[in-house]
Amino acid sequence: GAGVSQSPSNKVTEKGKDVELRCDPISGHTALYWYRQSLGQGLEFLIYFQGNSAPDKSGLPSDRFSAERTGGSVSTLTIQRTQQEDSAVYLCASSFKGRDTGELFFGEGSRLTVL
Amino acid sequence: GENVEQHPSTLSVQEGDSAVIKCTYSDSASNYFPWYKQELGKRPQLIIDIRSNVGEKKDQRIAVTLNKTAKHFSLHITETQPEDSAVYFCAASRPAGNMLTFGGGTRLMVKP
Repeated sequence: GAGVSQSPSNKVTEKGKDVELRCDPISGHTALYWYRQSLGQGLEFLIYFQGNSAPDKSGLPSDRFSAERTGGSVSTLTIQRTQQEDSAVYLCASSFKGRDTGELFFGEGSRLTVL
Repeated sequence: GENVEQHPSTLSVQEGDSAVIKCTYSDSASNYFPWYKQELGKRPQLIIDIRSNVGEKKDQRIAVTLNKTAKHFSLHITETQPEDSAVYFCAASRPAGNMLTFGGGTRLMVKP
């Protein structure tokens, strides 16, 4: 595709339910990031995938959060037993790892609301 | 790991004035410093970046400066316009596509 695609764009769920958020990066991009952004706040780093290397999970806020990246392409962020404080916009971004660090391209985000 | 501090968190200027946003970083091996702009309800987008082999880069009304010795870099916007109102994020990373670390963001408001 032309850009980073995220789905769903909006998700409303009840407290305690599990949710899955999907990110389809730009074709050929080896790096993929997940960020969380609460209203009016900054970019909270969650997890970073780079090629076949072990992901950097240092930003995941609790063990209810996990992410996978299958085949070096599509990624899924899973939040188990959602809590109201999980409500935020979840942004995915991808970049190409070459000799130099490249531009990060962000998706439109998935807005999660936990009731 | 890298730590990026950004100041101020909010900045209000009159249209036509200049705005300066400053960032410091901790990892002396970092050599790539991009700036992203996020308009209300939109995704962050790259507006300018600088690598450590130069001290300054300009693109029309925006410029970035880098002081590697002091480990700080700044974004300068001249002749500000209402459409410059947004949140600006600085970031830093090591060479060869290493992970980008973002600052906390600066909300810039340009008053007409």
